Amino acid sequence: NAGVTQTPKFQVLKTGQSMTLQCAQDMNHEYMSWYRQDPGMGLRLIHYSVGAGITDQGEVPNGYNVSRSTTEDFPLRLLSAAPSQTSVYFCATQDIMGASSEKLFFGSGTQLSVL
Amino acid sequence: AQTVTQSQPEMSVQEAETVTLSCTYDTSESNYYLFWYKQPPSRQMILVIRQEAYKQQNATENRFSVNFQKAAKSFSLKISDSQLGDTAMYFCAFMAWGGSEKLVFGKGMKLTVNP
Repeated sequence: NAGVTQTPKFQVLKTGQSMTLQCAQDMNHEYMSWYRQDPGMGLRLIHYSVGAGITDQGEVPNGYNVSRSTTEDFPLRLLSAAPSQTSVYFCATQDIMGASSEKLFFGSGTQLSVL
Repeated sequence: AQTVTQSQPEMSVQEAETVTLSCTYDTSESNYYLFWYKQPPSRQMILVIRQEAYKQQNATENRFSVNFQKAAKSFSLKISDSQLGDTAMYFCAFMAWGGSEKLVFGKGMKLTVNP
């Protein structure tokens, strides 16, 4: 039982490049979300999904796309990376139908640098 | 909109001593959860303790306890018998009932436990 798996752990991009951050979970949680963590800012919600085929924007969605074709996977796409997207990215899941529905399960994060 | 304020950016404490981390929040919601998350240098987000707003009794988890003052909208974390492994960033977070899109983090504070 791996929980929430994020890949890669580190990535360096040049401005304008595109890439996809992967997030996979094996807990059968319907709720998945992406956060970014910047120094002095805490975690901020980028996009979230309440189930396969359903996504919505969070607090800071600009520059990012998501899709949810399966319960297990929730990739985050940067179409044209900018230095302002240098950050640590976390994927999280939530079992909203479970006994501890308020608990989030976080991946180990991806450190992204855009030069 | 909900806000979470951690006014102390950094604190230090001697090993085996007790330290209190402060957090205030603002909300018009009546049903919500409050959390303290720990982020050690490994970057992993670890749930330390959570409090349901409708419960008057303060939550306790081993050496960690909270002082929840609902009327004052205050949610402080007390760490007793501090250990070197408690050195980390600590984030206070608020979540209204309904899903993680309603999760709001404070900016965090760095706690250092000195030997």
